[in-house]
Formats: sequence, C-alpha cells, structure tokens
Amino acid sequence: QSALTQPASVSGSPGQSITISCTGTSSDVGGHDHVAWYQQHPGKAPKLMIYEVSDRPSGVSTRFSGSKSGNTASLTISGLQAEDEADYFCNSYTSSFAFVFGSGTKVTVL
Amino acid sequence: EVQLVESGGGLVQPGGSLRLSCAASGFTFSKYWMSWVRQTPGKGLEWVANIKEDGSQKYHLDSVKGRFTISRDNTKNSLYLQMNSLRADDTAVYYCATHSGWSHSYWGQGTLVTVSS
Repeated sequence: QSALTQPASVSGSPGQSITISCTGTSSDVGGHDHVAWYQQHPGKAPKLMIYEVSDRPSGVSTRFSGSKSGNTASLTISGLQAEDEADYFCNSYTSSFAFVFGSGTKVTVL
Repeated sequence: EVQLVESGGGLVQPGGSLRLSCAASGFTFSKYWMSWVRQTPGKGLEWVANIKEDGSQKYHLDSVKGRFTISRDNTKNSLYLQMNSLRADDTAVYYCATHSGWSHSYWGQGTLVTVSS
C-alpha cells in the first residue's frame, strides 16, 4: 500500500487561508468517507483535527475544515495563525481494517 | 483525561526482539479498538497493526506480518506489540493510539525503537 500523496510544504501569511491536498486511489480516499487529518508539532504526538472527511472533534478550531472530491481529500486552514505551523498528515481506511497515511505536509506561517 | 504511555523501546540488533507496551488510563480501555502506528523521518507515519476491543480480531501491515503481533490485556488496561526478527527499516518511533470510528483519536508520546548492529 503506497502512502497517500501530499505536497511537501505549504505556506501562507497570518490571516490567509491555505489548502493541503491528499491524493489516493479508489481503493482508499475515493472508496469511502473514512478520511482523517492530523496535526503534529515538532517532538509531539499527532493530534486528530478532522475525521470522516469533514467532521471536527470537540475542541478543534472551526478554522480547520475538510472536504473530498473523487480520490483527493483536502484540509483547509482559514485565518492562518502562528500556532498552526506544524506538520499535517492525512489518513485513510483502505480495506480489511488497514489504514494508510499521507506523506505529510509542512505548513509554514510566513 | 486520556493517557497513553508507551514503553519498551530501545536499541536492538538486527534479528532481535522487543516487546512494546502501552499503558492506558482515563477511558474505558476495553471498549475501544487500539492501534500501533510508527514514524520515521524518511517514511512519515505508517499504520502497523490494530486490535478489536475484545482482542478477537487483529490486523497487521503486510511488511510486519509473521514478525510482529499485537495483543492486549483488558484487565491491565494495556496494549502490546511483540516484535521479532527486527530489521533496520523497523527503526522508528512507535505510537499507540485509540480508535474512534475510523480515525485515531488519542495518541501516546511514543517510544523509540532503533535496530542497528
């Protein structure tokens, strides 16, 4: 199972919106709505930000939103803030209770 | 507060074995699927294995099948990963994580496994 494809880096200025893409196949991202996004700050554990394509766990800012079209899922961060600077990983269920992660995107706040 | 604390990592020679543990607290452990996920600088995050609430179903990444075994002890609120025939490319930080539906909702801080001679 190959990793899902994400851009290596995305940057934006404070207050701007950025979008991170996550491209898979019809066997994973395109096959169902079990797509999640995780935020990871250096030296820290990943934190769930979005699940089931577009749902937010309690406590996650509404500035984070998710969507999907075909085999590509997207994470949008609106009103970019300095604290959003981190690595972001997408994740999709595949089949037979297995999961695949994205390659990761480093978000830089300029 | 949900807490997951991994232990058991360390330096091991190729072909060696290690048993990772994850101590869970702050939630009803026996009601959740659990996973092991590993992370390397070069390959990012990689799902390794998961196990059903009662331990009756277990699934492993193809590249670790036959070498790694996930298990749990609900009486001790603990998750385990027995790793045998370790290879250099198993070197990573290993995280345990809870499942909520089809996502990994809470993660531990990880334990580092280094496979090297």
